[in-house]
Amino acid sequence: NAGVTQTPKFRILKIGQSMTLQCAQDMNHNYMYWYRQDPGMGLKLIYYSVGAGITDKGEVPNGYNVSRSTTEDFPLRLELAAPSQTSVYFCASSKKGQGNEKLFFGSGTQLSVL
Amino acid sequence: QQPVQSPQAVILREGEDAVINCSSSKALYSVHWYRQKHGEAPVFLMILLKGGEQKGHDKISASFNEKKQQSSLYLTASQLSYSGTYFCGTSNTGKLIFGQGTTLQVKP
Repeated sequence: NAGVTQTPKFRILKIGQSMTLQCAQDMNHNYMYWYRQDPGMGLKLIYYSVGAGITDKGEVPNGYNVSRSTTEDFPLRLELAAPSQTSVYFCASSKKGQGNEKLFFGSGTQLSVL
Repeated sequence: QQPVQSPQAVILREGEDAVINCSSSKALYSVHWYRQKHGEAPVFLMILLKGGEQKGHDKISASFNEKKQQSSLYLTASQLSYSGTYFCGTSNTGKLIFGQGTTLQVKP
């Protein structure tokens, strides 16, 4: 099993550009999450999904969109990149929700918006 | 609502003990603890569920007091490998919200 795979690992965007961060898991997990981590700070939840076709907002959803068409994939879309979105983005998954299952994290995507 | 961790940073010598606290203003279903090394993804340490249980992982253990909505992580006889940032995550619905982190530095 590859676990949680994120691509790309690094990306530089210009202000106003769009991009999609990819996240895939091969553990048949129902729950998937997107977090962002600013330098020296904690993890902030952007969006999460409890299963295919179901998504919900987290703490900091503005400027992002998600979709969950399959159990395996949970892409994160940035429509109009802004410098404030410079961060490291982590995708995670868990078998169940309700906080009683550990999260498996991907290796992260480092995004710079200049 | 984001849980609050204390202290923000700790510096230890090898072999010393440390306690990291995590508190929430909301009723909690569970508390997670993760450790993150610089430039890496967070790594799971343990989960504590309602019931005031205590868990251990090597020389790292934790307690969960659901009435006080608090959890504490205990690191005993610290090793150099314990250095990193520790995050608690709390859940009362399907989503896990993390605290701001506690940076632990263990020196020889």
